[in-house]
Amino acid sequence: DADVTQTPRNRITKTGKRIMLECSQTKGHDRMYWYRQDPGLGLQLIYYSFDVKDINKGEISDGYSVSRQAQAKFSLSLESAIPNQTALYFCATSDAGTGNTGELFFGEGSRLTVL
Amino acid sequence: AQSVTQLGSHVSVSEGALVLLRCNYSSSVPPYLFWYVQYPNQGLQLLLKYTTGATLVKGINGFEAEFKKSETSFHLTKPSAHMSDAAEYFCAVSGGSNYKLTFGKGTLLTVNP
Repeated sequence: DADVTQTPRNRITKTGKRIMLECSQTKGHDRMYWYRQDPGLGLQLIYYSFDVKDINKGEISDGYSVSRQAQAKFSLSLESAIPNQTALYFCATSDAGTGNTGELFFGEGSRLTVL
Repeated sequence: AQSVTQLGSHVSVSEGALVLLRCNYSSSVPPYLFWYVQYPNQGLQLLLKYTTGATLVKGINGFEAEFKKSETSFHLTKPSAHMSDAAEYFCAVSGGSNYKLTFGKGTLLTVNP
């Protein structure tokens, strides 16, 4: 089983719908992240959480919200989806322990299409 | 503040030829540097990383990269390309107390037979 699991892997929805992407991890890491990938733009950070009570906005948080339900679970919501939110979304984790470097461990990605 | 510039959004090489993917970074603190690879329809996986110590780092699948502080570069190389190396490659930098990674825009590597 994957260490970082994202659901759903693929989703097609309509403009205005609420969508939730879920992420769970078995790596025991404190830090979790949501990134968005668009062709030619690389990865952009949406939100990150350094522990259950710590949520921070990234570069492109507008139109998104997150919830850290437990150390192992971090979900991303689109309250009212719009077509330019069509993208590949990645959840990632990192270790906050001594000597950590910020190395990220990624899930397989969730491909979202908003019609 | 930190940033990454990957020179060339698309690099094409012949099988057996040298692979060179370029990455320059900017960081206000000593950086940690990473190369990730993304195969089609998959997530990103770590290829190699530089933290401290030896500036030439070796990664998986025969790749290596050299940290050059004076040039603020961390270029990725492989002496002989294989068809299975076709993928997108991302350079990333982290630094400072928050350890957030900043990614470059990626370089798509095509390997021709």
